[in-house]
Amino acid sequence: NAGVMQNPRHLVRRRGQEARLRCSPMKGHSHVYWYRQLPEEGLKFMVYLQKENIIDESGMPKERFSAEFPKEGPSILRIQQVVRGDSAAYFCASSPPGTSGKYNEQFFGPGTRLTVL
Amino acid sequence: TQLLEQSPQFLSIQEGENLTVYCNSSSVFSSLQWYRQEPGEGPVLLVTVVTGGEVKKLKRLTFQFGDARKDSSLHITAAQPGDTGLYLCAGARTNAGKSTFGDGTTLTVKP
Repeated sequence: NAGVMQNPRHLVRRRGQEARLRCSPMKGHSHVYWYRQLPEEGLKFMVYLQKENIIDESGMPKERFSAEFPKEGPSILRIQQVVRGDSAAYFCASSPPGTSGKYNEQFFGPGTRLTVL
Repeated sequence: TQLLEQSPQFLSIQEGENLTVYCNSSSVFSSLQWYRQEPGEGPVLLVTVVTGGEVKKLKRLTFQFGDARKDSSLHITAAQPGDTGLYLCAGARTNAGKSTFGDGTTLTVKP
């Protein structure tokens, strides 16, 4: 019973490069959420997606950040032209259809730790 | 604007002691979750509370949802070193897919 999978677990990029973070939700889950966490802080919501649709991207920076959840394959969080301030842990969570907005129980992956040099 | 305030931010206690952490908001939530996160890992769901005044127990952990569904508390009895971690509360609004997280309480239980 595989949980939420994220890869890579650690990613090092130089300023100006692109970072691609992948998330495979739990089997049967069709809702995906991305969060960012700085050290000793809580999680900050970035984007909520269902298959092929962005439902809520109110937490996404307007520039350089994008997310997708295609019909086939994992969800991708893409950061273009990374800067040092993008260094953080990025977590993906998933939930099954039908619970979103009511109980909103989300199951988290282990995260990708992005370091920008 | 921080919708969920957690207190205390840091807590260091001896094994066997009891503790309570709080999660407060001026907003009403349709449900509230508590998670525990260990270093280098993702948060793990502990409990969901949905009804005002609800109390749930998970072994030595007792969770309570306020009557007005604006606040919650987590009480741990006879804390053990294995309880060490970051405790996060998260609230969901009606018809909102995202969760709003507090900044967490970092608990250290010393043997």
